[in-house]
Amino acid sequence: AQTVTQSQPEMSVQEAETVTLSCTYDTSENNYYLFWYKQPPSRQMILVIRQEAYKQQNATENRFSVNFQKAAKSFSLKISDSQLGDTAMYFCAFMSYGQNFVFGPGTRLSVLP
Amino acid sequence: DGGITQSPKYLFRKEGQNVTLSCEQNLNHDAMYWYRQDPGQGLRLIYYSQIVNDFQKGDIAEGYSVSREKKESFPLTVTSAQKNPTAFYLCASRFLQTGGNTIYFGEGSWLTVV
Repeated sequence: AQTVTQSQPEMSVQEAETVTLSCTYDTSENNYYLFWYKQPPSRQMILVIRQEAYKQQNATENRFSVNFQKAAKSFSLKISDSQLGDTAMYFCAFMSYGQNFVFGPGTRLSVLP
Repeated sequence: DGGITQSPKYLFRKEGQNVTLSCEQNLNHDAMYWYRQDPGQGLRLIYYSQIVNDFQKGDIAEGYSVSREKKESFPLTVTSAQKNPTAFYLCASRFLQTGGNTIYFGEGSWLTVV
């Protein structure tokens, strides 16, 4: 069974600084997707970024980018120019074709003014 | 607007009562899911359904029941057999065909036992 690990339960960053959230996963599949979801205090789950495993290029969405290392099974999220609105729980997730999503335990990020 | 609607947002249950959480989607998604989230914790899968009139147990199905009579609707009943139901419940859905690689969530429902 696939598993997703987020080794940082909590992190903090100063406003305008850069922070990296870690995620590792375990799978024997070759084709799959990886995701980062954000859950702000409102509890709404919001898709931040998505990576397809067959693509070597790292995904980028404005201030959010990933470092996808397929061989190492690592999928970290970098947030540049952190803003107060980035304060949230961040969940890493994995999905292989035809299977359910598997979510990590989450990292609570606080952006400090 | 297209989306996933959960209701009610807040629900209080007395001991021994069954309660039902509603989830409706107008995205024409094939699969629908119910997750439970305890404070400060991750998401745990309760039930999921990939087609009308069919559903499967997730990791923590005991004390819960679901139905999928329509593609758009996937209500979750929290029965009196669920000993610790106080939690935040999230409904989600997605396509299953090619391109169905993202799961979308409703705004969630808070259930509290009083």
